[in-house]
Amino acid sequence: LAKTTQPISMDSYEGQEVNITCSHNNIATNDYITWYQQFPSQGPRFIIQGYKTKVTNEVASLFIPADRKSSTLSLPRVSLSDTAVYYCLVGDLYSGAGSYQLTFGKGTKLSVIP
Amino acid sequence: EAQVTQNPRYLITVTGKKLTVTCSQNMNHEYMSWYRQDPGLGLRQIYYSMNVEVTDKGDVPEGYKVSRKEKRNFPLILESPSPNQTSLYFCASAYHGTIYEQYFGPGTRLTVT
Repeated sequence: LAKTTQPISMDSYEGQEVNITCSHNNIATNDYITWYQQFPSQGPRFIIQGYKTKVTNEVASLFIPADRKSSTLSLPRVSLSDTAVYYCLVGDLYSGAGSYQLTFGKGTKLSVIP
Repeated sequence: EAQVTQNPRYLITVTGKKLTVTCSQNMNHEYMSWYRQDPGLGLRQIYYSMNVEVTDKGDVPEGYKVSRKEKRNFPLILESPSPNQTSLYFCASAYHGTIYEQYFGPGTRLTVT
């Protein structure tokens, strides 16, 4: 399993764009990058996944450079309701010959300030 | 509605008294998993199951048991709970082909005194 490193916490004002970077230097060829969001006292929620370049959905964008050794989750114009912990996971989606074990780590606690 | 349910949501018990936390999903997912979440330690995987009668250890399996006799259910069993198992527990499920896209239950807050 690829090891990931994220900042422990970040603060942002409402209305700003927030970028959370995850480092994964030993990412494997078949690995995808997945991000989850967790609100206080709730289970994590899948928000976005990608392999390379850029992926965008209604919640966020995911930027992955050509070397894939890092990725950036971008949240446009955050609001107070985006205050949550964000987790970066890296692994082989289909795990045909790999491990089915998932490692969430400690995530990045984003605090949005009014 | 597609969902993962856990029961009970809150439980206070005493050391050594066996307990079971149930988990059920209605999405016909092959993969199910249990996690515990503790302040400062993040989310850690306890056990997972790829299908009926197939279970395997995660990062922190000591003191826990699981079973997968039916596809929809994946109970977590604490045979002899101890105070260090006081935690917030989450169950999750996913399709076999997309285990990184997991659906989580609402959580069970367990206190062992």
